Amino acid sequence: GQNIDQPTEMTATEGAIVQINCTYQTSGFNGLFWYQQHAGEAPTFLSYNVLDGLEEKGRFSSFLSRSKGYSYLLLKELQMKDSASYLCAALDSNYQLIWGAGTKLIIKP
Amino acid sequence: GAVVSQHPSRVICKSGTSVKIECRSLDFQATTMFWYRQFPKKSLMLMATSNEGSKATYEQGVEKDKFLINHASLTLSTLTVTSAHPEDSSFYICSARGISGETYEQYFGPGTRLTVT
Repeated sequence: GQNIDQPTEMTATEGAIVQINCTYQTSGFNGLFWYQQHAGEAPTFLSYNVLDGLEEKGRFSSFLSRSKGYSYLLLKELQMKDSASYLCAALDSNYQLIWGAGTKLIIKP
Repeated sequence: GAVVSQHPSRVICKSGTSVKIECRSLDFQATTMFWYRQFPKKSLMLMATSNEGSKATYEQGVEKDKFLINHASLTLSTLTVTSAHPEDSSFYICSARGISGETYEQYFGPGTRLTVT
């Protein structure tokens, strides 16, 4: 079956760095997405990786290892507004997104 | 970036009535639109995928006669919840994928919170 695993909840301190991990098992693979979702709002796109390696975009970076079925989202210089759920989603062979349950990130001052 | 609108943002209806939710891609043509529902503190659950001009493909367990989806044009898809029950109360989110979606990125609408009393 297809499966996405990510931690349910993480806590970090304002100004620090946090890494949110995601492992996936899908029938075929066409890339991995990270989305941010604030409570009561729709998800917003953060990153897309299809090749191995690290993609940096400002304070956020995303890493992919296809051989390990593994990705992480790295958030630097955490701000209070980064408190949200972070959703990992893999694109399978049918180009359907398989969603993880999301990681709720709590930022403390 | 691509913008997707959804209307209404919130709706309260009585049991037994029908509710229509609209999803529009404002600045691009969406060949494929997706409808999700999300329960509190849960992940997105894909309900159906619709391609312009063809019937929607429903996920297992989703009643096609209850959740009517129409993708009439490249910029508009509608979801109609028929004979609504309180258990249909949820957050409904649409997303759209463009014609030149090489990255297959989905652009999400702001969501519709449905409450059935």
